Amino acid sequence: DTGVSQDPRHKITKRGQNVTFRCDPISEHNRLYWYRQTLGQGPEFLTYFQNEAQLEKSRLLSDRFSAERPKGSFSTLEIQRTEQGDSAMYLCASSLVIYEQFFGPGTRLTVL
Amino acid sequence: SQQGEEDPQALSIQEGENATMNCSYKTSINNLQWYRQNSGRGLVHLILIRSNEREKHSGRLRVTLDTSKKSSSLLITASRAADTASYFCATDRSNFGNEKLTFGTGTRLTIIP
Repeated sequence: DTGVSQDPRHKITKRGQNVTFRCDPISEHNRLYWYRQTLGQGPEFLTYFQNEAQLEKSRLLSDRFSAERPKGSFSTLEIQRTEQGDSAMYLCASSLVIYEQFFGPGTRLTVL
Repeated sequence: SQQGEEDPQALSIQEGENATMNCSYKTSINNLQWYRQNSGRGLVHLILIRSNEREKHSGRLRVTLDTSKKSSSLLITASRAADTASYFCATDRSNFGNEKLTFGTGTRLTIIP
C-alpha cells in the first residue's frame, strides 16, 4: 500500500499523559499536513511542512503541541499534558506542491 | 474556523437518484476540493476545481464553481448504496496553492437501497 499511513490508529490515554503520533506520507510527496477533526465537524488545519521545514502553524496548535518532520519524510505530532478537549481524530495528509492532498486513515485519540 | 458551509447538512435519497450538495465560502480561493468520508475514517479526495474553472467531471461526479457567488455544487448521478458517506468541501486560499485547506461542516448523504 503506497498511501499515507498513520500509527497508532487508536490511542486511549489518561489526562496529563503525553502522546505521540506518527505519519508516513506518500514517498515522493514533499508537503505534509496535520489536521484535527472532532465529531460532526470538518477537519481543522493544525500545521504543515514542506520537506523538513514547518511553514505554518494554526492558533489551534497550543504550546502543548509540537510537530516535527526531521528528515523530510515521516512526521510526528506530540501532545504534552493531554486534556479531555484534545480528544479527536488526528489526520495527516501529504501532497506534491500544487496538487491535491491525500489523507491517511487518522489516529483517534481518547483522553479519559 | 470553518470557512465553508455545506447545504444541506443531511440528505437521504433512494438508490439510483441524483444527489446534489452545495458549498458556500466567504473569501477568494485558489481552488476548491471535494472529499468523501465514510463513518469514522479518513478522507478520500474526489475532485479539485481551480478558481479559473467553472465545471469538472469525474465519472458520476460533476462539480461546478461560481466564484462570483462564492459557491460550489457537487452532483452525484445514479447514486449507489456505497455513496453513503459525509461529503466535505475544502477551500485553498493560498496564493500558490496547497498550503492548507479550510473545510466546511459537511453533508451527510444516506442512500436508501
